[in-house]
Amino acid sequence: AQKVTQAQTEISVVEKEDVTLDCVYETRDTTYYLFWYKQPPSGELVFLIRRNSFDEQNEISGRYSWNFQKSTSSFNFTITASQVVDSAVYFCALSEENYGGSQGNLIFGKGTKLSVKP
Amino acid sequence: DADVTQTPRNRITKTGKRIMLECSQTKGHDRMYWYRQDPGLGLRLIYYSFDVKDINKGEISDGYSVSRQAQAKFSLSLESAIPNQTALYFCATSDLTHGTSGQETQYFGPGTRLLVL
Repeated sequence: AQKVTQAQTEISVVEKEDVTLDCVYETRDTTYYLFWYKQPPSGELVFLIRRNSFDEQNEISGRYSWNFQKSTSSFNFTITASQVVDSAVYFCALSEENYGGSQGNLIFGKGTKLSVKP
Repeated sequence: DADVTQTPRNRITKTGKRIMLECSQTKGHDRMYWYRQDPGLGLRLIYYSFDVKDINKGEISDGYSVSRQAQAKFSLSLESAIPNQTALYFCATSDLTHGTSGQETQYFGPGTRLLVL
């Protein structure tokens, strides 16, 4: 069965600190996809990144970086030099391979609320 | 990114009332989804549709129904609303074409906050 665990319910940091949000997943598929979404206080869900299971290369986008490790089934998200605007709930999600239109729905973790204080 | 709109953005209703939440998208995506978000529980799938003639139940479909009126429109109905359906509801579309396999990303609408009294 698929499962996504975000063990950190809430994190509070001071601006300019680095912060890592943990995500651990479970799946029996060999091909799967991992996602991070951001939900700011306004409520919308913003897509941040998709990572395929066959690509373990880490990714950096500005102050954001993602560390994908299949050996530990983890897909952690690091924000460097955090800013107040990074305050949000962050969701990690997993979907398995689609075959000719079959289901490949997203399984979400429960989210980590990040508060960045000035 | 998909342009996904949801109406209404906020709704207060009473127990037993029938209500409809609407979702429209302008990017021609085949796949559409309805989720609900409850505090501390993440998002859970209610229904999904791979095209106009293909509608499927998700994890928590009881008490809900959907209609895919067109490729661009996917409506969620609560036939007789109850207080534990108070939640934030999201519609999403996916960039994976129906009948194909591979990678997809879901793009979410702004959400509808529903309060059932």
